[in-house]
Formats: sequence, C-alpha cells, structure tokens
Amino acid sequence: GAGVSQSPRYKVTKRGQDVALRCDPISGHVSLYWYRQALGQGPEFLTYFNYEAQQDKSGLPNDRFSAERPEGSISTLTIQRTEQRDSAMYRCASSGGETQYFGPGTRLLVL
Amino acid sequence: AQKITQTQPGMFVQEKEAVTLDCTYDTSDPSYGLFWYKQPSSGEMIFLIYQGSYDQQNATEGRYSLNFQKARKSANLVISASQLGDSAMYFCAMRDAPGGGGNKLTFGTGTQLKVEL
Repeated sequence: GAGVSQSPRYKVTKRGQDVALRCDPISGHVSLYWYRQALGQGPEFLTYFNYEAQQDKSGLPNDRFSAERPEGSISTLTIQRTEQRDSAMYRCASSGGETQYFGPGTRLLVL
Repeated sequence: AQKITQTQPGMFVQEKEAVTLDCTYDTSDPSYGLFWYKQPSSGEMIFLIYQGSYDQQNATEGRYSLNFQKARKSANLVISASQLGDSAMYFCAMRDAPGGGGNKLTFGTGTQLKVEL
C-alpha cells in the first residue's frame, strides 16, 4: 500500500493475555519505529529497526514488551501478560530518510 | 537528555488569519532535526514540515513555515491563512542524531489548535 498500515486497529484484551500488534511499513523503507501514545500526550519511543536489526530498544518499558522484524519488512510488537497500564495507542512509523511516516495506530485496551 | 517544550496547551485563531505555535528544545548535540506533526481528531499523525539544524533557511511547505531560531533554540510553526481543517493537535518533535535512516523522535506535549469562523 501507499502508507504504513497497522493491525488490528482496535484490540480489547483481558489482563494477563498476550497481544501481538502488527506493522507493515512503506515499501522500501529501511527504518521502522514503534511508539506508544497515551491520551493527551505525544508519542513516546519504544524501539526501532534498521532492516531486520533492532538498533535501539531503550524505550521498551519492561521485559514483557518485545519486537521483531525478521525479514526487514513487517514488524510485530508483542506484549506478554498484559496489564491495565499497557492500555494506550501503539503507533508504528517507517522512514527512508529524515522523515518518519506514521501508521494509523492500534488502540489497545486491557480490561 | 533531550527535551521539547510546547507551552501552549490550546490556541484559537480566526479563519484566514495566521497563527504561530511555539516550540523550544534543548539538546547538546550539534546536529539534530526538528519536525512538526498534525494530529486531527481522527487520530492519524500527519507529517507537516522538517528543519535540519544546519539548514541555513527556514523550512516552508505550502501554508506551513518553520521559524527556526537556533540561538534561542526555538522552532515555531507558522500556519498562514488558517482553515477550519487546520483544527487539530500539533506536535513538535526532535531527532538528535545525524543523518537519516533511523533515530528516535522525542515529542512535546502538543498544542490543540481551534480555528473559528
């Protein structure tokens, strides 16, 4: 497609369940980023990849969060044993240069 | 550590008027990039404009311009001839490493702009 796509767009899960969020970047973009955005706040960095290599995961809040991009294209952000505090908008972005282009986000609600 | 400050939680502007959204930043890196994004009520994040720290001229993109004052560490967004569709949340962001191809953005808290008739 023309832009970054994410799925699912909405995810409701129960506390303790694992969730997997998917990001499909703009074709040809080398870099892929994950951010988390709380309501009324700006996005906060989680992790990023160049090709399939995870370059920086300093923003991942704890070891329940992990991400992969095995073939250098689609990426998956996994949250294990979800907690209510994980509820937020999770945004993916990709770039081929200076500018990061964002996807529509996945709204996660943990009950 | 980086920091982006947007001191205006909310702004109002009359249609067809110009409006300036403030952004100040703090970094010790000599090379950095500054960005503005628009987030309408639909929730998407739309890239508006980019300014590199070594760029000699202020960036412009259509009705958007970035008033870059390096010594004052400010990167204000100017929207000319405001339209009703400009009503949205606006985020200032900074990338702190040289070159493209991948480094994290640090965002401010945003300014909610409302354009009135």
